[in-house]
Amino acid sequence: DQQVKQNSPSLSVQEGRISILNCDYTNSMFDYFLWYKKYPAEGPTFLISISSIKDKNEDGRFTVFLNKSAKHLSLHIVPSQPGDSAVYFCAASAGSNYKLTFGKGTLLTVNP
Amino acid sequence: NAGVTQTPKFQVLKTGQSMTLQCAQDMNHNSMYWYRQDPGMGLRLIYYSASEGTTDKGEVPNGYNVSRLNKREFSLRLESAAPSQTSVYFCASRQTDSNQPQHFGDGTRLSIL
Repeated sequence: DQQVKQNSPSLSVQEGRISILNCDYTNSMFDYFLWYKKYPAEGPTFLISISSIKDKNEDGRFTVFLNKSAKHLSLHIVPSQPGDSAVYFCAASAGSNYKLTFGKGTLLTVNP
Repeated sequence: NAGVTQTPKFQVLKTGQSMTLQCAQDMNHNSMYWYRQDPGMGLRLIYYSASEGTTDKGEVPNGYNVSRLNKREFSLRLESAAPSQTSVYFCASRQTDSNQPQHFGDGTRLSIL
């Protein structure tokens, strides 16, 4: 029973355009959401996060939107760059131990 | 500037052998975590340690044991390795202040024949 779902295994965009990665969750107790980026043979790198008291968080080219009623969050990358090509994982946690539940990831390819 | 260091990076074992995966962090973080990642899957939590001296099971703890040796180090032990434990293992740590992210090591790639 997947509590965090990333329904698109892959996404391809042109350099300079917007990349939108989506994530859905089922556990209403989740109160903290994160996006990680992962290159091959490396560990996940933290990108951006949002707590459930907010609906938007922005950091440079990266913006995360949270729609609690729909149990949906998205990551927008504008403008996309070839160096953004990686697997992006959505993760969520509930409570103070911050144990993360991950989605399966979306492979983003940004074409020059 | 090491962050989270995992050793070894690669290992091949035979079924039934035992092995300890090592993890150390130099960020003075209180909490540490062990995850596994299988092909086409997200990371799944094996065990975690909220603070020095405490450990708790995660989503997939069967077949594993952990030791929080001190604040810096958190090891994962496979007592009798099975082919189903072939995976990439990631260690992570975080500061216990609210809404701080976990920081990951580069993983240990473990194959069990």
